[in-house]
Amino acid sequence: DVKVTQSSRYLVKRTGEKVFLECVQDMDHENMFWYRQDPGLGLRLIYFSYDVKMKEKGDIPEGYSVSREKKERFSLILESASTNQTSMYLCASTSSAKYGYTFGSGTRLTVV
Amino acid sequence: EDQVTQSPEALRLQEGESSSLNCSYTVSGLRGLFWYRQDPGKGPEFLFTLYSAGEEKEKERLKATLTKKESFLHITAPKPEDSATYLCAVPTAGYSTLTFGKGTMLLVSP
Repeated sequence: DVKVTQSSRYLVKRTGEKVFLECVQDMDHENMFWYRQDPGLGLRLIYFSYDVKMKEKGDIPEGYSVSREKKERFSLILESASTNQTSMYLCASTSSAKYGYTFGSGTRLTVV
Repeated sequence: EDQVTQSPEALRLQEGESSSLNCSYTVSGLRGLFWYRQDPGKGPEFLFTLYSAGEEKEKERLKATLTKKESFLHITAPKPEDSATYLCAVPTAGYSTLTFGKGTMLLVSP
């Protein structure tokens, strides 16, 4: 089975901290994605990457950056965490959106 | 711009009470449609892919159907373990990403 692994299920961070969320996939997928999910707002795309060292902004990139140094790993970085970044963060990967995504189990981030 | 709308936002059923969830979409050309199930605090899990109008897929108590404008997820004789949020999504042009609906939260009571 394809596996997408997010390093943490729950994180609590302080306002102003730099936060790293890690995602690793084991199926050699070219495309990786970061979404946040909030009640009433659904899934919103933050950034995606279609190749190593390549990235594209999604719908809500402000306050976030990403890194993809290796094909299997896609990191989401909150440069200076704020309380409005408290959310569920979901990583996904695919060879092509034509085939849908495989999601990780999510990271629930709370910024206090 | 592609849009995906799911209804209702929430649905409460009694065990055994069949119903349907709706996913309507406006896209420049149908490129397929995906259904996912999401349990609380977890990532979405793939259920079905539908690629052409008239196509149907079944899995246990779930059946997904597709027309040119919408998809239905029919739930027959649901059980409490079917309680979850159900998401639908369509690929964007060029297949770079998926556009998701906001989901339907289903609660099945014993």
